[in-house]
Amino acid sequence: GENVEQHPSTLSVQEGDSAVIKCTYSDSASNYFPWYKQELGKRPQLIIDIRSNVGEKKDQRIAVTLNKTAKHFSLHITETQPEDSAVYFCAARRDSSYKLIFGSGTRLLVRP
Amino acid sequence: DTAVSQTPKYLVTQMGNDKSIKCEQNLGHDTMYWYKQDSKKFLKIMFSYNNKELIINETVPNRFSPKSPDKAHLNLHINSLELGDSAVYFCASSQDRVVYGYTFGSGTRLTVV
Repeated sequence: GENVEQHPSTLSVQEGDSAVIKCTYSDSASNYFPWYKQELGKRPQLIIDIRSNVGEKKDQRIAVTLNKTAKHFSLHITETQPEDSAVYFCAARRDSSYKLIFGSGTRLLVRP
Repeated sequence: DTAVSQTPKYLVTQMGNDKSIKCEQNLGHDTMYWYKQDSKKFLKIMFSYNNKELIINETVPNRFSPKSPDKAHLNLHINSLELGDSAVYFCASSQDRVVYGYTFGSGTRLTVV
């Protein structure tokens, strides 16, 4: 069945350093890959997404890369700040499905 | 104005009780979802409705029953609550098959004692 694996489960970085979170999906028909940020006690919020016809997308300090051949996609956060501390979820879905399959989440801690 | 609103935000109840969680969206979206987030933060889909029609029904106990009176509302009723039902339940909505991603509600923390 559909599955999205996410690594690492926890990530601690020094403020100003970069953080990378990686996901692998099993359904080769997946073509939409969003990333969500969930702060403590809050709702997941969409921060960036990428579609299968694009290899990379950037939005200020956040970027996402997609390797369709390897079925990998990654979130890159540069110049991390303490307010980036949260749980980050990757997800994947295919056009023919309403279902968004989430990864297991990465708890990012940015140390001041 | 809150785009996707859930009530109640917190729910503490005893085992065996029946409870409901309500969700409303004012975004004009045509698809709504219920997700369960367990203590390990894993987000698992439970149900989805598109224009009041059930389109996703994952392996969820029969004690859970969604109801969608119109496309702006999706409620979740849970019968005979069990300790293992304790979790945060998120409602979400999307337009046109998640073209722009989901918008989540603020969640309902259910604690069964």
